[in-house]
Amino acid sequence: LAKTTQPISMDSYEGQEVNITCSHNNIATNDYITWYQQFPSQGPRFIIQGYKTKVTNEVASLFIPADRKSSTLSLPRVSLSDTAVYYCLVGDKDNDMRFGAGTRLTVKP
Amino acid sequence: DGGITQSPKYLFRKEGQNVTLSCEQNLNHDAMYWYRQDPGQGLRLIYYSQIVNDFQKGDIAEGYSVSREKKESFPLTVTSAQKNPTAFYLCASSPQGARAETQYFGPGTRLLVL
Repeated sequence: LAKTTQPISMDSYEGQEVNITCSHNNIATNDYITWYQQFPSQGPRFIIQGYKTKVTNEVASLFIPADRKSSTLSLPRVSLSDTAVYYCLVGDKDNDMRFGAGTRLTVKP
Repeated sequence: DGGITQSPKYLFRKEGQNVTLSCEQNLNHDAMYWYRQDPGQGLRLIYYSQIVNDFQKGDIAEGYSVSREKKESFPLTVTSAQKNPTAFYLCASSPQGARAETQYFGPGTRLLVL
């Protein structure tokens, strides 16, 4: 199982771009990189998934360098409602992917 | 509305008692999962099922049991063997579970020990 390492916490201000980096040095060839968001007392919610290069959707962008040993979740112009825990998961099957402690993002006014 | 429902929202357990947490999905997903989350921690996989009448242990299965008699239902029983059951329990489902797919989570059940 590929292990991931993320910062424990990050602070930002409204309107700023936030970049959360995840390290996954032993990622396997078939592994995908998936990010989830979790608000207190709720289940996680899928944000974005990628395999290589760059993926963008209406919520975020995911940047993956050529060696795939890390990835960066980019949240453009965050608001107070983006305060949450963000999890980076790596794997090729749902039951292989593990939720670490995640990154607790606090957006301040 | 399609989705995953969990009940109850709060559940209290007495010493030596087994309790069952309900999880139902109407997404027609094959795979279902149970996670446990302790305060300030990530989610840990208890059990998962990729098809009816089959399930596999996750990382922390001891003290828990599951069944998968119907595609839409995956109840979790917290047995008296689980000595520290107080936690937030989350159920999830995904279309097949065969590759990295989006997991859809329910609202969770918070279990407290009296």
